[in-house]
Amino acid sequence: QQKVQQSPESLSVPEGGMASLNCTSSDRNFQYFWWYRQHSGEGPKALMSIFSDGDKKEGRFTAHLNKASLHVSLHIRDSQPSDSALYFCAASEMLSGSFNKLTFGAGTRLAVCP
Amino acid sequence: DPKIIQKPKYLVAVTGSEKILICEQYLGHNAMYWYRQSAKKPLEFMFSYSYQKLMDNQTASSRFQPQSSKKNHLDLQITALKPDDSATYFCASSQEDWANYAEQFFGPGTRLTVL
Repeated sequence: QQKVQQSPESLSVPEGGMASLNCTSSDRNFQYFWWYRQHSGEGPKALMSIFSDGDKKEGRFTAHLNKASLHVSLHIRDSQPSDSALYFCAASEMLSGSFNKLTFGAGTRLAVCP
Repeated sequence: DPKIIQKPKYLVAVTGSEKILICEQYLGHNAMYWYRQSAKKPLEFMFSYSYQKLMDNQTASSRFQPQSSKKNHLDLQITALKPDDSATYFCASSQEDWANYAEQFFGPGTRLTVL
């Protein structure tokens, strides 16, 4: 079983709509969570990090973390066609023997339709 | 200008051969990493280096050997290539961070196909 699971596998939203992506971890050692975005033919790029319970907002993007349930979400408001990409949730362990190892989920493919 | 350079962008190899994937970063980072992405598995951590020293190795096979000739270089040598090695290999870098929350910056990747 993957330690970081994402849902849905794919998502289609209209331009201007809200996209909601989910991520759940099965490993309580994970303390730090990231959302990465990957456009076709490119490397992943960090969108935002979230380390504390609650919401974190950066522009059109809002992440939410619930450490008790190890659930992370990403909400994209006013979605744009340029937001169409593969979105990854990634997690790392706090002060573990592993040096900054990121564990990725399988990704959610988002399509924003004009 | 690209901050992380990976060469080549595409690579085709025959089974049993050896290839070297090149990575250079110009972000001034002290930590570098290799990840692999294939159709069968999500992005998968392979190695981490800090100040040219191997910090973590999550690759079971000794056929994969990182090589760091300079602080901002981390190449990946793969020997005795197998079709299952076909994947896109990403190099990444970050500030050194033992607390494990430094942002990692990824290169554009090298897509390896083993025939």
